Amino acid sequence: GDSVTQMEGPVTLSEEAFLTINCTYTATGYPSLFWYVQYPGEGLQLLLKATKADDKGSNKGFEATYRKETTSFHLEKGSVQVSDSAVYFCALNNFGNEKLTFGTGTRLTIIP
Amino acid sequence: EAGVTQSPTHLIKTRGQQATLRCSPISGHTSVYWYQQALGLGLQFLLWYDEGEERNRGNFPPRFSGRQFPNYSSELNVNALELEDSALYLCASSLDSIANYGYTFGSGTRLTVV
Repeated sequence: GDSVTQMEGPVTLSEEAFLTINCTYTATGYPSLFWYVQYPGEGLQLLLKATKADDKGSNKGFEATYRKETTSFHLEKGSVQVSDSAVYFCALNNFGNEKLTFGTGTRLTIIP
Repeated sequence: EAGVTQSPTHLIKTRGQQATLRCSPISGHTSVYWYQQALGLGLQFLLWYDEGEERNRGNFPPRFSGRQFPNYSSELNVNALELEDSALYLCASSLDSIANYGYTFGSGTRLTVV
């Protein structure tokens, strides 16, 4: 079945550091890929998405590129801020499966 | 446009009691999904409702049940509460094409079983 694997957390970075959170997936066909963010005490918010190979999703300085050849969708940001501290979830949706499959989440903490 | 709304925000129940959680999807969304998030991480799929019917359920015991009303709002019921049911319960709704739009989540109901 479909699955998503995220890098283990927690991740702690200094402000203005470069961020990469790895995400790889297992799925047949061509799934859509998503990154969600969960701030403390809140529900999940859609951060960005990509619906086909080589698409790049971007939002709020975050980017992720759909790499079919490596089945990956790594999240990157060039310069993180304290306000980026949150839990990040990678997810996929495969054709014919009417729900999202989530990774386990990666907790990110940015220290000033 | 109002987002996905969940009520109550917090709920404290005693072991063995029943809990009822409510969700109103975004206007025009017909599908509602319920997830359990225990220990602050990891979302476990509970239930999916569409057009008033239960379409899929996750690996949870039958004491987790729910329904969807004609206005597409939904209710999650948890009977015979156990301590390990303490979690954040998230509701989400979607347009027809999850592949293009994903879900929109509510802020959740924090259920504490004592």
